[in-house]
Parts: sequence; structure tokens; C-alpha cells
Amino acid sequence: EAGVAQSPRYKIIEKRQSVAFWCNPISGHATLYWYQQILGQGPKLLIQFQNNGVVDDSQLPKDRFSAERLKGVDSTLKIQPAKLEDSAVYLCASSLGGRLAGAEQFFGPGTRLTVL
Amino acid sequence: RKEVEQDPGPFNVPEGATVAFNCTYSNSASQSFFWYRQDCRKEPKLLMSVYSSGNEDGRFTAQLNRASQYISLLIRDSKLSDSATYLCVPYKDSGYALNFGKGTSLLVTP
Repeated sequence: EAGVAQSPRYKIIEKRQSVAFWCNPISGHATLYWYQQILGQGPKLLIQFQNNGVVDDSQLPKDRFSAERLKGVDSTLKIQPAKLEDSAVYLCASSLGGRLAGAEQFFGPGTRLTVL
Repeated sequence: RKEVEQDPGPFNVPEGATVAFNCTYSNSASQSFFWYRQDCRKEPKLLMSVYSSGNEDGRFTAQLNRASQYISLLIRDSKLSDSATYLCVPYKDSGYALNFGKGTSLLVTP
């Protein structure tokens, strides 16, 4: 079974530029998550989708970050404009959805963003 | 929001030792708990799920203490390959994911 796919794997941009990340979850997984992981810290939840609806985006900096999940499958996360403090690994994860085993998350390899 | 607290370590233990980490959580509505393992510069991978009082899988045992709001992970007979960061995350039954802890770093030495 194919895992969660993410692209690009690495991205280097200058501050104030824009960047977009793409995620393709495991087939059949209704729930999709985007996390930001800064070096030395645990993943911080940015947004959680259930199918194509947003479940929780309370920690998404909406002045510069946006995310969408068209047709309830692929998702994109955008940063516009980027700041130095956005340098981090952006992880996408998916799960079947629902309770118990449905909440087990499977992570993609992440996109490592460096903002100069 | 600091929903989850973990001792960052590092825990340095010799091969064959038994080591335990705790993870405390603040949200009493948490119903499911997960331990993930994260190797350096890799993504987290699910290690163990806990839905009731505990779970055991080979050398790994997770125990949940709802009264004190913590979950522990016990690793017996540590292997060099167990060296990693261990992350815990609670999950509300309503379907809302909560934040991961910062993780506990384990280094198993020969």
C-alpha cells in the first residue's frame, strides 16, 4: 500500500516569497493533517481536514498560511509571504478517521523549508 | 496550548536496560493515546496505540493512568536501534487531534 506522498522534499526561499506544499494521503483516508515541526520540538497541528471540510484550524496563522483539500483527497498548504520563523519541516499525515484505530496517523516524509 | 508535557531527556541507557518515559496531558476529554517514534530527520511512525488502560507489544508496554492524567511507555531490554525520539499524542473521541508533546530523546549505548 502506498504511503503518504509529499512534495517537494526540500525548499529554500527568501523571506516575503510564497511557497506551496502538496500532499497526497493514503487512499481511503478521510482525515488529513498538516503539522509544522520546528527543530527540537514536537509536531504542531496547523490544520485538520475531515474529507474536504476543516475540523480544526485554530493554530493556523491565517494571515499568511492557507490550506485546502479539494475533492477530499489531495491537499495543498501555502505560505504567503514567508517569514524567517517559518523555517521548519512541514508534515502531512492521514488517518482513516473516527475513533480508536481510525485516529492512527500515517505521516509523509515531510517538506523541509528554509527561509533566508 | 500546552496540552502535553514530556521530559525531553536525553535518556542515556546501556543496551539491555529497562527505561520508562512519562507523558502528562491536560485535556481530560482525551480518549485515545498514541506513542510515535521519530528517528533523526525522519517522519514520526506509529509505535503503539492505547485505548483503555494499557497495551503491550513485545518489549514495549504503555500504561494509562486517567486519574493522574499521564501515560507511560516502558521499553525492556533496550536495543541500539531503539535510539530515537518518542512522541506522545492524545486524541479526543470527538475526532479532534491534539498537539504532540515535544518528545523524549532516548540514546541506547553499547
